[in-house]
Amino acid sequence: DAKTTQPNSMESNEEEPVHLPCNHSTISGTDYIHWYRQLPSQGPEYVIHGLTSNVNNRMASLAIAEDRKSSTLILHRATLRDAAVYYCILSGANNLFFGTGTRLTVIP
Amino acid sequence: ETGVTQSPTHLIKTRGQQVTLRCSSQSGHNTVSWYQQALGQGPQFIFQYYREEENGRGNFPPRFSGLQFPNYSSELNVNALELDDSALYLCASSPWDRGAGANVLTFGAGSRLTVL
Repeated sequence: DAKTTQPNSMESNEEEPVHLPCNHSTISGTDYIHWYRQLPSQGPEYVIHGLTSNVNNRMASLAIAEDRKSSTLILHRATLRDAAVYYCILSGANNLFFGTGTRLTVIP
Repeated sequence: ETGVTQSPTHLIKTRGQQVTLRCSSQSGHNTVSWYQQALGQGPQFIFQYYREEENGRGNFPPRFSGLQFPNYSSELNVNALELDDSALYLCASSPWDRGAGANVLTFGAGSRLTVL
């Protein structure tokens, strides 16, 4: 399975935009890019996913590089409730293979 | 719509014992996956069930087994428990009719197993 690389941790000030990077240089043409987040004491929660084009939903935006070897999850205005571990995952089948993710700390 | 529910939320077992964890999938979902999450790590895929049959398995030994029932609920069974089996066990459900790779999983809050 293709691997992803994310920073271990990031910090953001409350109400500021947050850009969470992910590298996936070995991505295949059929791999989707998924983002999930996990709040303390909860199961992972779906955030967004895409294949080639940038995607927007009510939670976030996903910017995908033209060569698809990297992507960025964008939270437009971080809130304290966004503090979580964010996982970038490549999915070529019906299963998700998680890495260790990026722990986002939001500073009031 | 109801989400994914898991039971029990916490349990303690001793080495060598057996455990059964249960999961009710989200309404309208017919596929169930199980994940193991050790402390400080990301979830690791155990296996997936679709139409009551195993449909894909991660790198876990045969003492990890499962069932899916006609109502799409599922069980995870672990035999001969080892200390390293202590973890959060997550169940996730999804619809099958999306294209492979595009499936969105809905996770439960997990069952935390401690093996002494």
